[in-house]
Amino acid sequence: GNSVTQMEGPVTLSEEAFLTINCTYTATGYPSLFWYVQYPGEGLQLLLKATKADDKGSNKGFEATYRKETTSFHLEKGSVQVSDSAVYFCALSWLSGGSNYKLTFGKGTLLTVNP
Amino acid sequence: GAVVSQHPSWVICKSGTSVKIECRSLDFQATTMFWYRQFPKQSLMLMATSNEGSKATYEQGVEKDKFLINHASLTLSTLTVTSAHPEDSSFYICSVTGGRETQYFGPGTRLLVL
Repeated sequence: GNSVTQMEGPVTLSEEAFLTINCTYTATGYPSLFWYVQYPGEGLQLLLKATKADDKGSNKGFEATYRKETTSFHLEKGSVQVSDSAVYFCALSWLSGGSNYKLTFGKGTLLTVNP
Repeated sequence: GAVVSQHPSWVICKSGTSVKIECRSLDFQATTMFWYRQFPKQSLMLMATSNEGSKATYEQGVEKDKFLINHASLTLSTLTVTSAHPEDSSFYICSVTGGRETQYFGPGTRLLVL
């Protein structure tokens, strides 16, 4: 089956530190991969995505590269800000029943950035 | 991406009553909508998938008579929690897609059943 394993949190960093949140996946076929971010009390926002091997998704200084050989999609940011404090979810997309794409999520990683 | 709204954003109700939650796609023809449930500090659990004009498909373990889903148009889906009980208290989130892989999420509805 499909599954996503995400780095356990919480992660606490100081402002301007380097961020890595690890994500690995198990899937049949070639899924698309996503990172979503959830700010306190809110729904999920799409942060970035990659649809095929070696693709790099990027947005707001965050990056992740689809690595088929290691089945990974690690999230990185060179210099985090206090406003990046949130829960980050890694997810993969798979075709269910030949008709709808569904998402399988990791458990989420809470990031706290201190000034 | 699509802009998705949910109403209400939070609701408190008495045990035994029914609660309806609306999910609207404001700028996007949503052929498919999803309903998720999220417990505190946990990941999202998919409850059901609904395609416009069709009956919803429920995930294993989700009671279809308990969680009624209607997707009558390309911009509106509703989730009705019938005869709600305290264990139904949760954060309910909808998402929309135009038939492709990327899902766009609403802001969520927090339900508290007393």
